[in-house]
Formats: sequence, C-alpha cells, structure tokens
Amino acid sequence: EDQVTQSPEALRLQEGESSSLNCSYTVSGLRGLFWYRQDPGKGPEFLFTLYSAGEEKEKERLKATLTKKESFLHITAPKPEDSATYLCAVKDGANNLFFGTGTRLTVIP
Amino acid sequence: DSGVTQTPKHLITATGQRVTLRCSPRSGDLSVYWYQQSLDQGLQFLIQYYNGEERAKGNILERFSAQQFPDLHSELNLSSLELGDSALYFCASSVALSGDQSQYFGPGTRLTVL
Repeated sequence: EDQVTQSPEALRLQEGESSSLNCSYTVSGLRGLFWYRQDPGKGPEFLFTLYSAGEEKEKERLKATLTKKESFLHITAPKPEDSATYLCAVKDGANNLFFGTGTRLTVIP
Repeated sequence: DSGVTQTPKHLITATGQRVTLRCSPRSGDLSVYWYQQSLDQGLQFLIQYYNGEERAKGNILERFSAQQFPDLHSELNLSSLELGDSALYFCASSVALSGDQSQYFGPGTRLTVL
C-alpha cells in the first residue's frame, strides 16, 4: 500500500539553527515527490517537485533532496517567517497523490 | 496568490443539509482536484477532473459528488451532511492531466456542520 510518513511531527528551532525534515515513502512507480508549505488556514503553497533519486532542488533557505526511499527538506539558517507546516506528497504510477500529515515548524527569534 | 479561487470562504450549515462549493482554476489549467483536510486526517484526495471529465477518484464518499463545467470551473456537492464532514475543502489545479506538474491550491472553504 502506498504510504507517506513525515517526521518529526513538530520541530522548534532557534533562528539560524539549521535542520532537516524527513519524508519517507512507499509507492508503486514514483511519478514525483512534491513539497508544499502551508500556513494556518490557507492552501498549500507549492515548493518543489523531485522526480528521481539523487535529484536536488533549492529555493532560498530550502533545499530538497530525494533518495529511493525518502526525501529531506533541509532548512539553512531559518528565519521566523519560515514557520509553517511543510507537507510532502508522492504521486504513484496510477497518478494517485498521497500526502503526509506534515511537519509543523516553528522558528523562534 | 496561486490564481485558484474558491467560494465561499466559510460555510456553516446543519446536519442533513446539502451544500455546493465552487472552484475556478488558474487560467489555462485543465485539471481540477478536490481535497478534504481535517485535523485528524491530514489532506485527503477526493476527486480529479480534466477538461470536464472525471479522471481519478480518491477517498470520496457516495454522498459527495463533483463536476467540471465547460468554462472549467468546478463544483463539489456535499449532501446529507454529518458532523464529521466539518473540514477545510481545497481545490487545486494543474496544467496537465498526468499531474507530474505541480498542483496550485486555492485558499479553501471552511465547512462547519452543526
């Protein structure tokens, strides 16, 4: 059964303290792995798509990487405005999209 | 602003009632997706339409139905509402059918069933 697990559920960082969020997945025929950011009460905002193991994408303080079993979202020197819930989703060979439950990140000034 | 619009923003109704949620995709996007997000379940895929036709179904209840119109806007109909249907309902759109493209989400409709 296709599955997406994100860890940790919640993460508190001091401003400037780098860390990584994990998304592990089990899927038949990965068509893509997606990272989204979601602020409270708002729709998810697209960040990255990764398609194959070894691929990396960067945007400002965020860097996403992909292996055959998991993806990491690295946050370098985070700022308070990076506080949000980060969602990971995978699309399987049948074009079904499965979301993880997210990591709630809080960056303390 | 993703370019996807959803109305209404909030909806409060009673058990047993029927409601309709509306979504307009980004200009040029042919695929529309509906999701339900509740506190305990995360984001759950409900259904996808592409250029007016249903293309994929997720965890959508029989009490729920959707359609996509010729102008590409979509409506999600929820009937015989139960307390457990209270959630945020999101619409997303993408350019292509296959959705290897990223999906762009609307701001959501918060449904409260009393």
